Amino acid sequence: DAGITQSPRHKVTETGTPVTLRCHQTENHRYMYWYRQDPGHGLRLIHYSYGVKDTDKGEVSDGYSVSRSKTEDFLLTLESATSSQTSVYFCATMNTLGQGYTPSMNTEAFFGQGTRLTVV
Amino acid sequence: KQEVTQIPAALSVPEGENLVLNCSFTDSAIYNLQWFRQDPGKGLTSLLLIQSSQREQTSGRLNASLDKSSGRSTLYIAASQPGDSATYLCAAIKAAGNKLTFGGGTRVLVKP
Repeated sequence: DAGITQSPRHKVTETGTPVTLRCHQTENHRYMYWYRQDPGHGLRLIHYSYGVKDTDKGEVSDGYSVSRSKTEDFLLTLESATSSQTSVYFCATMNTLGQGYTPSMNTEAFFGQGTRLTVV
Repeated sequence: KQEVTQIPAALSVPEGENLVLNCSFTDSAIYNLQWFRQDPGKGLTSLLLIQSSQREQTSGRLNASLDKSSGRSTLYIAASQPGDSATYLCAAIKAAGNKLTFGGGTRVLVKP
C-alpha cells in the first residue's frame, strides 16, 4: 500500500453547495491524480498534479478545481455541486524515478479507497 | 489519444477453470501496463505491473503478457476460485504526463 487516505469516505450534499475532497499520501510521490468512476464510463481522469502547485486538467475537468500546496495533500473541489457529479472519486499517486518527472521501470499507480459522493 | 478496451465486459466460469482476460490499447508508446482488481464498493488493488521492456510478469496463479507491437495484454488466472470474483481493470501508463488510461474492466464471476 502506498499510504493513500481519502476523506471523507462518504458524503451527501445538496445541489449548488461547494464540496472539497481530500487525498493524503505518505509516500512522497510527485504525481497525484483524481479520477471519477461511473457505470458505463469506467475511470476518467479529472485533474492531476506533477508537483507542489503544478496541476493540469484531465478529460472531465469541467466543474472541478484542484490544489496542491504540499507534496502529501491533493484537494479536489466541486465549486457548485450538480447531480451529474454524483460518483465515486478515487485518488491515485504514481512513483517516478528519484521522485522526479521521469517514469522508471517500476513506475506504477497506487489508489485510495475512494469517496462516494451523492449530490441531491 | 490512447484508448484501452477490455473484452469481454463480463465473464462467468465454473470454479477450477482458467480465466483469460484481454486488454487492447491503441497507442503502443506506453511505458508500463498495470492490472488491477476491484471488489464491489472498494478501491483498486494492483495485481501486476508489466514494464514496457517485458513480455510477461507472474505472481502466483496470475500471469500477464504484453505485446506492444499488437497493442495487447492478457491476464491469465489459473485454476479460478470463487474468491477471484471481482472486476479486473487494465491501465496503460504513457510516458508523456505519466497518466493512466483505463479500460472499462471485465467483471468476473467464478461459480462454486
